Amino acid sequence: AQKITQTQPGMFVQEKEAVTLDCTYDTSDPSYGLFWYKQPSSGEMIFLIYQGSYDQQNATEGRYSLNFQKARKSANLVISASQLGDSAMYFCAMRGDDKIIFGKGTRLHILP
Amino acid sequence: DAGVIQSPRHEVTEMGQEVTLRCKPISGHDYLFWYRQTMMRGLELLIYFNNNVPIDDSGMPEDRFSAKMPNASFSTLKIQPSEPRDSAVYFCASSFSSGPKTGELFFGEGSRLTVL
Repeated sequence: AQKITQTQPGMFVQEKEAVTLDCTYDTSDPSYGLFWYKQPSSGEMIFLIYQGSYDQQNATEGRYSLNFQKARKSANLVISASQLGDSAMYFCAMRGDDKIIFGKGTRLHILP
Repeated sequence: DAGVIQSPRHEVTEMGQEVTLRCKPISGHDYLFWYRQTMMRGLELLIYFNNNVPIDDSGMPEDRFSAKMPNASFSTLKIQPSEPRDSAVYFCASSFSSGPKTGELFFGEGSRLTVL
């Protein structure tokens, strides 16, 4: 069975600091994908970054990077130089065997 | 390009009434997913389709929930009879099975259901 765990229900971070959001996963499928999505207070789901299980390098998209540690089954999201607009709910997700499941999310608050 | 379109955006109904939520996926996408979001349970996968065929409905809470995908451009999620505990935001999402970001989900704006 697949499982995604986000252990941080909420985080408070000072503006301009880097943020790491934790995500661990479990799957028996050798081929899988890991995603992060952002959900601002308006409710829409915004795709941020993707990492494939066979990708050799960690994924990066602008200020977002994914710290992929396959042996530890972790896929942490790193946001560099946080901004007030980064305040939102963040979801880690995994695609394995076609099914896409989500963690319970981390609510990030950026403080001015 | 049009994204995933869901309707209605908001629905308020009374317990016992039938509720039908609708979704139009992005053209060309071969996967369609229905999720339910609540504060307590987060984003739960209810059911997903591949090429209009239901693949896994193990997340459907009970027999009151049913979903169909009669063609590649339309899907419905029906709740009959509805109960207050069904109050949630229901998201429809579609994806394409191949490509550099295999499986990236494109979400609709969600349907917020309130059952009184």
